[in-house]
Amino acid sequence: GAGVSQTPSNKVTEKGKYVELRCDPISGHTALYWYRQSLGQGPEFLIYFQGTGAADDSGLPNDRFFAVRPEGSVSTLKIQRTERGDSAVYLCASSPALTIAGGSTDTQYFGPGTRLTVL
Amino acid sequence: AQSVSQHNHHVILSEAASLELGCNYSYGGTVNLFWYVQYPGQHLQLLLKYFSGDPLVKGIKGFEAEFIKSKFSFNLRKPSVQWSDTAEYFCAVTASGSARQLTFGSGTQLTVLP
Repeated sequence: GAGVSQTPSNKVTEKGKYVELRCDPISGHTALYWYRQSLGQGPEFLIYFQGTGAADDSGLPNDRFFAVRPEGSVSTLKIQRTERGDSAVYLCASSPALTIAGGSTDTQYFGPGTRLTVL
Repeated sequence: AQSVSQHNHHVILSEAASLELGCNYSYGGTVNLFWYVQYPGQHLQLLLKYFSGDPLVKGIKGFEAEFIKSKFSFNLRKPSVQWSDTAEYFCAVTASGSARQLTFGSGTQLTVLP
């Protein structure tokens, strides 16, 4: 597609429920990222996929959070037993994973986000 | 781990005023630097980026930023702002090695008065 898309745009759930957030990256982008943005803050890194595998999940806050990318394209962020503190905008980004000798020249392109509200 | 500081939380300017938004980062190695902008109701968009070479980089809509390595800074500038520049601006850094996640500052809300 033309850009990164995320569904749903808004999700309201009750404390303790399970939610899934979906991300469709830009076609051909091999790298995919999830970030979380709380009110008044910049986005915070959650997890990074290179292809189908999670290359870095160091930003996931606890084991209630999990993400998959089974075919190397669409990704789903899954949150179990949601808590009120999980309320935030969840952002997805993708990139072509460009590198040059000695470093990265990669640029991430962001989707519109999913606003999650846990009541 | 790297960190980013944006000291101006909210800046209010009149149209045609000059803009400079501060960004300082903390990281001991080589970095890639970015400014993203989020217009009201829209998603994050890349404004400009620095990877290497000329430390003065030009982006879209007349914005530019200067990388000063000795000061660990990457300030954003625009000589004459417009009402349509009203938005939130985020500075971000990533280590230019294998690590790829962006570390963002907390953002600066710019309001331009017509």
